[in-house]
Amino acid sequence: DTEVTQTPKHLVMGMTNKKSLKCEQHMGHRAMYWYKQKAKKPPELMFVYSYEKLSINESVPSRFSPECPNSSLLNLHLHALQPEDSALYLCASSQFWTRYGEQFFGPGTRLTVL
Amino acid sequence: GQQVMQIPQYQHVQEGEDFTTYCNSSTTLSNIQWYKQRPGGHPVFLIQLVKSGEVKKQKRLTFQFGEAKKNSSLHITATQTTDVGTYFCAGDSNYQLIWGAGTKLIIKP
Repeated sequence: DTEVTQTPKHLVMGMTNKKSLKCEQHMGHRAMYWYKQKAKKPPELMFVYSYEKLSINESVPSRFSPECPNSSLLNLHLHALQPEDSALYLCASSQFWTRYGEQFFGPGTRLTVL
Repeated sequence: GQQVMQIPQYQHVQEGEDFTTYCNSSTTLSNIQWYKQRPGGHPVFLIQLVKSGEVKKQKRLTFQFGEAKKNSSLHITATQTTDVGTYFCAGDSNYQLIWGAGTKLIIKP
């Protein structure tokens, strides 16, 4: 199984809502990532988890809260978002995070903040 | 800060013509990866180049990594409609993966 799954595919939320994005992989990868992608832009790294520990937080606002419950799952908890946070949120995984290797991306969650 | 410049931003080609995108880093890279993102899709890994001067081929795609490990290119021979999408390079430098802005390949009708 070489697939990264993400739910939901689409999400519309108000600025006062709390929601969560979910990501799952069963490839035995020990590094998992959250990216944010705006239209016509490259993916922008938000967080890196290595062996279920947060290794990188790219100065992401605290209204985004990542969680890695186990080696297969990655969540992104959203609270009090702003309209400018509307974007495609991509989860990715790779075998390790010592040197970046091939990253497998999920299909993404398209988030709209009203 | 560290940057990877990718050009051109767009390339319009007739089907059957060649396509090339270039990436240039401000710093020496440990390796460089290439991804393709179809319209409405997600990035899909194409290849990783590690060695100085490395050249790799995948059917009609040729990837090169410069001798100084600061630049790279992707060349597609005889483009087909299935090649449509945005091609990103991503350079690994000091545990940072720095993405180029992408080159969008558009096939003229």
